[in-house]
Amino acid sequence: SQQGEEDPQALSIQEGENATMNCSYKTSINNLQWYRQNSGRGLVHLILIRSNEREKHSGRLRVTLDTSKKSSSLLITASRAADTASYFCATENAGGTSYGKLTFGQGTILTVHP
Amino acid sequence: SAVISQKPSRDICQRGTSLTIQCQVDSQVTMMFWYRQQPGQSLTLIATANQGSEATYESGFVIDKFPISRPNLTFSTLTVSNMSPEDSSIYLCSVSGQGRTNEKLFFGSGTQLSVL
Repeated sequence: SQQGEEDPQALSIQEGENATMNCSYKTSINNLQWYRQNSGRGLVHLILIRSNEREKHSGRLRVTLDTSKKSSSLLITASRAADTASYFCATENAGGTSYGKLTFGQGTILTVHP
Repeated sequence: SAVISQKPSRDICQRGTSLTIQCQVDSQVTMMFWYRQQPGQSLTLIATANQGSEATYESGFVIDKFPISRPNLTFSTLTVSNMSPEDSSIYLCSVSGQGRTNEKLFFGSGTQLSVL
């Protein structure tokens, strides 16, 4: 079942601006990950944050995790036209039977205008 | 990381026919996953395919409709059987990383299926 909900569903910004996407989930998790999808093709892993972490950085990406609120945010700084894509959060639910299985959110469509 | 070759990349099929999607990985992996992405939607896990055992299907998906083979540690197929227009989706195979990347998923480029 889909447990992740993301907002906004769509985001349109100018090049150079920052983009923030939010994700909420419902159950206890081992980790939360963000993926990017270009034009409905395969997904590419961006960043992973574990349940005992609160913030993580990777290049222009910053992800936060608030397990008390069951929410996460992805910030892309200084956006570029090439960042235009769909972004999905995905959770690995806590519990032995969930190993390797991810539950994906609904996604945010990001458009960066040159 | 893992490099995944998935084919076909797209197909247009007639109602009632079946399509087999192939997924080849450049390294041996224990677990392979098949996802479906309906138009404008997120990804839904169909099943987990482990070598040497029957695939494990998620709620709402059955083996008769989506038979899966996993003959070795680098290859898997998913068949979409007796297709209807509701099966029009992108189908994606994925694998868990190895070692330090074992929590991440690596994806094939997807198969875009249209059923007429």
